[in-house]
Amino acid sequence: NAGVTQTPKFQVLKTGQSMTLQCAQDMNHNSMYWYRQDPGMGLRLIYYSASEGTTDKGEVPNGYNVSRLNKREFSLRLESAAPSQTSVYFCASSHGTSGYNEQFFGPGTRLTVL
Amino acid sequence: DAKTTQPPSMDCAEGRAANLPCNHSTISGNEYVYWYRQIHSQGPQYIIHGLKNNETNEMASLIITEDRKSSTLILPHATLRDTAVYYCIVSHSQGAQKLVFGQGTRLTINP
Repeated sequence: NAGVTQTPKFQVLKTGQSMTLQCAQDMNHNSMYWYRQDPGMGLRLIYYSASEGTTDKGEVPNGYNVSRLNKREFSLRLESAAPSQTSVYFCASSHGTSGYNEQFFGPGTRLTVL
Repeated sequence: DAKTTQPPSMDCAEGRAANLPCNHSTISGNEYVYWYRQIHSQGPQYIIHGLKNNETNEMASLIITEDRKSSTLILPHATLRDTAVYYCIVSHSQGAQKLVFGQGTRLTINP
């Protein structure tokens, strides 16, 4: 099993450009998440999807949109990138069942907005 | 979700037990204590979780006080590869979890 995969690994954007970060999991998990991590800080939740067909805002959703394409895939879109969105983005997934609900994280996408 | 308090940094000698404390005085009855760690700039890795009983797995042990207001993560024989930032998080255990990562404890294992 590959677990949680993210593409791309690195990206540099100019202010105002758009891009989509891709995330996929092969563990048949119900829930998926997008976090961002700024230097020296803990992770902050951007959006999450409790199950296929649903999405909800997390702590810092402004400037982002998400799509739960199917059970495996959860994408994060930046419509008009800003320097404040320079960060490392982590995708995660979890089963969603009590007792088996730990989150599994991908390797991250390092995004720089100039 | 309840908030947690952890020391910003700790040191431990290789081969010794590393004991990482966490305070969560506002934890509610149905919330669990979760521990994750982040090695360098990798994605966080789940370690262990518990409700009120002590828990042990192949990575670590979790000791939760009887009043559930604090807990300790124990790495029994720390190695250099255990150098990481450790996050103590309180959350319910069912459905989607909106994990709140604080700043964690930066644990350095010294040779």
